Amino acid sequence: DAKTTQPPSMDCAEGRAANLPCNHSTISGNEYVYWYRQIHSQGPQYIIHGLKNNETNEMASLIITEDRKSSTLILPHATLRDTAVYYCIVSPTDNSGGSNYKLTFGKGTLLTVNP
Amino acid sequence: DGGITQSPKYLFRKEGQNVTLSCEQNLNHDAMYWYRQDPGQGLRLIYYSQIVNDFQKGDIAEGYSVSREKKESFPLTVTSAQKNPTAFYLCASSMYLGAFYEQYFGPGTRLTVT
Repeated sequence: DAKTTQPPSMDCAEGRAANLPCNHSTISGNEYVYWYRQIHSQGPQYIIHGLKNNETNEMASLIITEDRKSSTLILPHATLRDTAVYYCIVSPTDNSGGSNYKLTFGKGTLLTVNP
Repeated sequence: DGGITQSPKYLFRKEGQNVTLSCEQNLNHDAMYWYRQDPGQGLRLIYYSQIVNDFQKGDIAEGYSVSREKKESFPLTVTSAQKNPTAFYLCASSMYLGAFYEQYFGPGTRLTVT
């Protein structure tokens, strides 16, 4: 049961902003939006997460729509090293040891940054 | 240098043999996870552990076994009962179960069974 929808692939020119969309129309009130990326043949790497407000860190910015049904990950100045599969995941953050024990990774978006 | 190590990076086995994949972390994390990834697919959870001497089945535990005798270590055994064992195996850890904003992954082990 896919909770998120992402385009299978995108291209971006080096130095330009990469905007990766994600639809999560069935997101619940307590679910966060997480973004990870996976460079070929490596383990995934956490990028950013958010609940309602837009977030920014040293890697990227996350823009979440007011109705929280979609979000966009922005890499402000893409480099060749940003070529990777980007995963958008929704999940509650919980430290109660209950059912919130996993992240469900779909197929993600393959971002190719071109010189 | 803190992190997660997995060894070996590549592993080849004959069908019918059990094989154990190593995962070690020095991040002082309580929770550890094993995922499997097939070509062009997302990750699927095999087993997870919230604390030493405790572990739970994930979505695709059949044919796999784990142990958690030490906080730092969470080895995965792929048994001969696993029908399609060839895959990329990823180990991860987080401070506690569900702390996904700080879930760290190892470099992975690519297992090929012929």
